[in-house]
Amino acid sequence: AQTVTQSQPEMSVQEAETVTLSCTYDTSESDYYLFWYKQPPSRQMILVIRQEAYKQQNATENRFSVNFQKAAKSFSLKISDSQLGDAAMYFCAQVKTSYDKVIFGPGTSLSVIP
Amino acid sequence: NAGVMQNPRHLVRRRGQEARLRCSPMKGHSHVYWYRQLPEEGLKFMVYLQKENIIDESGMPKERFSAEFPKEGPSILRIQQVVRGDSAAYFCASQGTGDKYEQYFGPGTRLTVT
Repeated sequence: AQTVTQSQPEMSVQEAETVTLSCTYDTSESDYYLFWYKQPPSRQMILVIRQEAYKQQNATENRFSVNFQKAAKSFSLKISDSQLGDAAMYFCAQVKTSYDKVIFGPGTSLSVIP
Repeated sequence: NAGVMQNPRHLVRRRGQEARLRCSPMKGHSHVYWYRQLPEEGLKFMVYLQKENIIDESGMPKERFSAEFPKEGPSILRIQQVVRGDSAAYFCASQGTGDKYEQYFGPGTRLTVT
């Protein structure tokens, strides 16, 4: 069965500093997609970044980047120059094949300290 | 192109009543997924539907829950005889034919059972 694990229930970071959120997953598939979603207090699910498993290059989106280690089944999110608006729950997620359910991790609550 | 719409945004029901949650996918999307988020947890898959068909209902509770996605109109998640444990946020996501992996999430419906 697919599982997604986030070992850090809570994290905090000083404004303007960098923070890394951890995620590991388990799958027997060779091709799949990985995502990081942000959920602010409004509860809207916002896609932050995605990574295709067959691509070696780590995805980046402005201040957000990932460290994808396929052999280790690790997919961490790095947030640079943290801003107050980054405070939210962050969910790591995986889709194993096309047109399939998303498997979410339990989430990491990120606080940004001014 | 409007995003995924869900209504109502908040729904209060007494124990034993029925709850009907509606989801209008993005224009042109024929794949709909429902997820449930219990307090302090990540999203859990419930059911995947295409127009007029249930594709995967492996996450649906066996009793009291049903879902449909008719040829015309929104997808409906129906919960009969609600209990306190049904209190949660219910998210709908839609997916287009060209988006094999990415789902677009609605704002969610917060169900409170009193």
